[in-house]
Amino acid sequence: EIVLTQSPGTLSLSPGERATLSCRASQSVTSNFLAWYQQKPGQAPRLLIYGASSRATGIPDRFSVSGSGTDFTLTISRLEPEDFAVYYCQQYGSSPYSFGQGTKLEIK
Amino acid sequence: QVQLQQSGPGLVKPSQTLSLTCAISGDSVSGNTVTWNWIRQSPSRGLEWLGRTYYRSKWYNDYAVSVKSRITVNPDTSKNQFSLQLNSVSPEDTAVYYCARRSSSQIFDYWGQGTLVTVSS
Repeated sequence: EIVLTQSPGTLSLSPGERATLSCRASQSVTSNFLAWYQQKPGQAPRLLIYGASSRATGIPDRFSVSGSGTDFTLTISRLEPEDFAVYYCQQYGSSPYSFGQGTKLEIK
Repeated sequence: QVQLQQSGPGLVKPSQTLSLTCAISGDSVSGNTVTWNWIRQSPSRGLEWLGRTYYRSKWYNDYAVSVKSRITVNPDTSKNQFSLQLNSVSPEDTAVYYCARRSSSQIFDYWGQGTLVTVSS
């Protein structure tokens, strides 16, 4: 099973700032099948970005990803108030499809 | 637009069976490019993929090792839905349970609304 480790656990930033979230895999992720989700309280995870850099429907271009193999990064270029949430990475290339433990992005 | 609507009890007694259903609209449980999955989320275990069912000329299932001896995921083609049964539950199975579609692009693109299931006497 591929174990995903996210860092930091909590990130405190202000609107307008840049956020950088990390996801490290215990082994190479098949075909870079790595996705990022956003979750707000009481809601299901929402798919943001998958694969090399594909944004899901309706996701603004301030969200971007980089990385390959075992190290991946989600960048939010300029934080909007609605971006403060918990973010999860997930590898969907090989079963079992594992998730990271999450990074909480909170308002400073 | 695909929609997944979950139903089932929110309280289950220890040692009994947890049963949830996920009704699909906008797609088919028998689709041969997608899979239908159950995922749970708890403070102690985070997000945990549990299992899936899918059709590729015949029906297949695939389960997480952690629950393999206790889980069944079944399709119901007459109602275009799929179900989760988890046997012999304990308080450690208390979680929010989600159903989700894994698309032809391999991504988990549509999720149900989630069901909080509490295991308690």
